[in-house]
Amino acid sequence: GAVVSQHPSWVICKSGTSVKIECRSLDFQATTMFWYRQFPKQSLMLMATSNEGSKATYEQGVEKDKFLINHASLTLSTLTVTSAHPEDSSFYICSARAGRGSSYEQYFGPGTRLTVT
Amino acid sequence: GESVGLHLPTLSVQEGDNSIINCAYSNSASDYFIWYKQESGKGPQFIIDIRSNMDKRQGQRVTVLLNKTVKHLSLQIAATQPGDSAVYFCAENKKRFGNEKLTFGTGTRLTIIP
Repeated sequence: GAVVSQHPSWVICKSGTSVKIECRSLDFQATTMFWYRQFPKQSLMLMATSNEGSKATYEQGVEKDKFLINHASLTLSTLTVTSAHPEDSSFYICSARAGRGSSYEQYFGPGTRLTVT
Repeated sequence: GESVGLHLPTLSVQEGDNSIINCAYSNSASDYFIWYKQESGKGPQFIIDIRSNMDKRQGQRVTVLLNKTVKHLSLQIAATQPGDSAVYFCAENKKRFGNEKLTFGTGTRLTIIP
């Protein structure tokens, strides 16, 4: 159980366009979802935390107008990279947690590789 | 600043031997620590966790040790197998304004030599 999926698994887009990445919890309800970014050979860096039905909380240095996060349901969160640039090329990973504060464990998705040309 | 770091960026171990991956953390307020395994092009996979009120926890072929005195965490993998080759991250869980947040260490690449 506790499966998290992401779509697409990889995407290539042109500079200036927007890209939407979906994160779904398949067999549980996720009250909280997290979005991470990972550059090659680096660690995961938390971008934002979103609770279902409320605005996302962004980490310092992450532009909320550039990385739009929507957590409209208990099983779906989306990350939209607006006006993407080559420096936004990265591996984007989401995770989901069931129960607000009831469990420490986050279930991670398989990641989405974004390449901006 | 607060950080979670690893002592060794790479580690090569002969198949069948035991491996130890280390991690240092600086936030004594963290209440929970987790080890993750990440294979190339995939998301992190949970291995084992430990609460701050414990000093040792064992799983299948893995043991996590927590030394709060020196703020040190280690992951021991027994009888390593080729499938253990991956990058391993430690992470600490912090509570902030009622929300919980994971901070990841820099990672150690473990290579199992056949």
